Amino acid sequence: AQRVTQPEKLLSVFKGAPVELKCNYSYSGSPELFWYVQYSRQRLQLLLRHISRESIKGFTADLNKGETSFHLKKPFAQEEDSAMYYCALSPLKAGGTSYGKLTFGQGTILTVHP
Amino acid sequence: DVKVTQSSRYLVKRTGEKVFLECVQDMDHENMFWYRQDPGLGLRLIYFSYDVKMKEKGDIPEGYSVSREKKERFSLILESASTNQTSMYLCASSLGHGRTQHFGDGTRLSIL
Repeated sequence: AQRVTQPEKLLSVFKGAPVELKCNYSYSGSPELFWYVQYSRQRLQLLLRHISRESIKGFTADLNKGETSFHLKKPFAQEEDSAMYYCALSPLKAGGTSYGKLTFGQGTILTVHP
Repeated sequence: DVKVTQSSRYLVKRTGEKVFLECVQDMDHENMFWYRQDPGLGLRLIYFSYDVKMKEKGDIPEGYSVSREKKERFSLILESASTNQTSMYLCASSLGHGRTQHFGDGTRLSIL
């Protein structure tokens, strides 16, 4: 069975500082990794997925299979980045297609102070 | 834009009642999911469905059942509500395996 761990429940930084939200996973096969974000009074939404290799709102995340990590990073945090962030994993079937089922971490609340 | 609509934002029920949470999506998605969201525990999958009348257990199915009679609608049923089922419930849908899940606004359920 797969497991996703986000070691920090709360993370506070000042505007303009770098931010890193940690995510570690355990899974015996090939996973697909995601970051989802929930801003205040908004619904949960996808931020980025590792297979896209893209930067969204200045955030990037690199899958490190050796360390089984998928940390989310942004070089200069903004106040509007304050939100709840969830790391999630979906197992990949042979051929590269995910089952679609997600296992989420416990979440990290990011607060960016002015 | 994908729209996932949950019938109630807030719901208060009594212990032992049978509770229905409804979710409707308007994008012809095959997959639908029910999660509960609790502080410190993240989101945990209760049940999911890959097709009409098809359902599979998630990680915490005990005390719950689901129904998917039509492709656009996925219902979560608490057969006999208990206080430990007080939580935020999130519904999601996705187009196919491996696609982005789109979430509803959630239903905050309180069992008294």
